[in-house]
Amino acid sequence: GQQVMQIPQYQHVQEGEDFTTYCNSSTTLSNIQWYKQRPGGHPVFLIQLVKSGEVKKQKRLTFQFGEAKKNSSLHITATQTTDVGTYFCAHLRTSGTYKYIFGTGTRLKVLA
Amino acid sequence: EPEVTQTPSHQVTQMGQEVILRCVPISNHLYFYWYRQILGQKVEFLVSFYNNEISEKSEIFDDQFSVERPDGSNFTLKIRSTKLEDSAMYFCANTLRGRITDTQYFGPGTRLTVL
Repeated sequence: GQQVMQIPQYQHVQEGEDFTTYCNSSTTLSNIQWYKQRPGGHPVFLIQLVKSGEVKKQKRLTFQFGEAKKNSSLHITATQTTDVGTYFCAHLRTSGTYKYIFGTGTRLKVLA
Repeated sequence: EPEVTQTPSHQVTQMGQEVILRCVPISNHLYFYWYRQILGQKVEFLVSFYNNEISEKSEIFDDQFSVERPDGSNFTLKIRSTKLEDSAMYFCANTLRGRITDTQYFGPGTRLTVL
């Protein structure tokens, strides 16, 4: 079935450093969503992207959807300890039925 | 901020027993989902539910699983005969409609431990 891969699987950064996670699909995606899951918590929706080449910003977070709509990235500038968690991309498949396919996730640890 | 609630927060059961996990979605939302997350792993889609019927289910969602919305508010996931490998966090989620621009809201989850 359709899979969405994320790299890296884990990332440890020093507080203040930047962080990027990448989401890749072998097929064209009509949309991509990003979620953050704090340790012990539930996924929290961050943003959705639907247009080719789309870039959206939320404070220190920058989200990008690739031109070919097969990949996406989340970049965090100047990480803080509050950024700790696992970041998932997800795709809503709407070909007649509704199914969210989540990426494998990137676990971010920020060292103070 | 709208909120999805789930009960119980933690369920411990013996292998072979039936469990029912409960969710109260956001009131005007129409699309409902159940997910499973084994510790440290990714969020896995189990089933989507719309208009009182299953829209799609994954290969994980076998005959041991069922969902229903018995009273128009609660949304339940039943596992008839639990197995050790059913131990995981179970999240319900909902969206207002089924559009790609919808925000998907997750509940806090139920941790299921099968002994």
